[in-house]
Amino acid sequence: KQEVTQIPAALSVPEGENLVLNCSFTDSAIYNLQWFRQDPGKGLTSLLLIQSSQREQTSGRLNASLDKSSGRSTLYIAASQPGDSATYLCAVAGGATNKLIFGTGTLLAVQP
Amino acid sequence: DVKVTQSSRYLVKRTGEKVFLECVQDMDHENMFWYRQDPGLGLRLIYFSYDVKMKEKGDIPEGYSVSREKKERFSLILESASTNQTSMYLCATLRGSGNTIYFGEGSWLTVV
Repeated sequence: KQEVTQIPAALSVPEGENLVLNCSFTDSAIYNLQWFRQDPGKGLTSLLLIQSSQREQTSGRLNASLDKSSGRSTLYIAASQPGDSATYLCAVAGGATNKLIFGTGTLLAVQP
Repeated sequence: DVKVTQSSRYLVKRTGEKVFLECVQDMDHENMFWYRQDPGLGLRLIYFSYDVKMKEKGDIPEGYSVSREKKERFSLILESASTNQTSMYLCATLRGSGNTIYFGEGSWLTVV
């Protein structure tokens, strides 16, 4: 059974710092991996989608990498800003059912 | 932009009541999902549907049922609400496979 883990559970950094969020999964037979942002009391917003054949995806200050063989993905945020404060979740999709298995998220606080 | 609308943002219901949570999407997507999100447990899949009148159980279907009579609408039904169903419920939609998934804003349900 696929399990997705995110470490750390919470992270606090000063503004301007570059940071890395980690996601690991136990079954490497994934279809794709997505990173999401969730603001308090809100739904999830998709940030980046990496297909299983890809190694990384970039969007603005965000870069996500995928290493299927080791069961790991990282989300790199450059030059962090207070507006980046949110919970970041990763999810993997496997098989034809399109079911997503989510990690429990990393709560990020960027201090001004 | 894809729009996923959950009509009820905040509900308070009594134990034993029948509860309907409605979700409507405007992008003609085949796949729709219902998740619940609880602190420390992350998002867990309740039910999903890959076509009209089609449904499949997710990881925690007990105590829930769903209805998909039209492609754009996916309803989650709690036949007899219980206090352990107090949670945030998230609806999501996906076109085909391997694509970005879109979430609604969530419905906060409190069962007293």
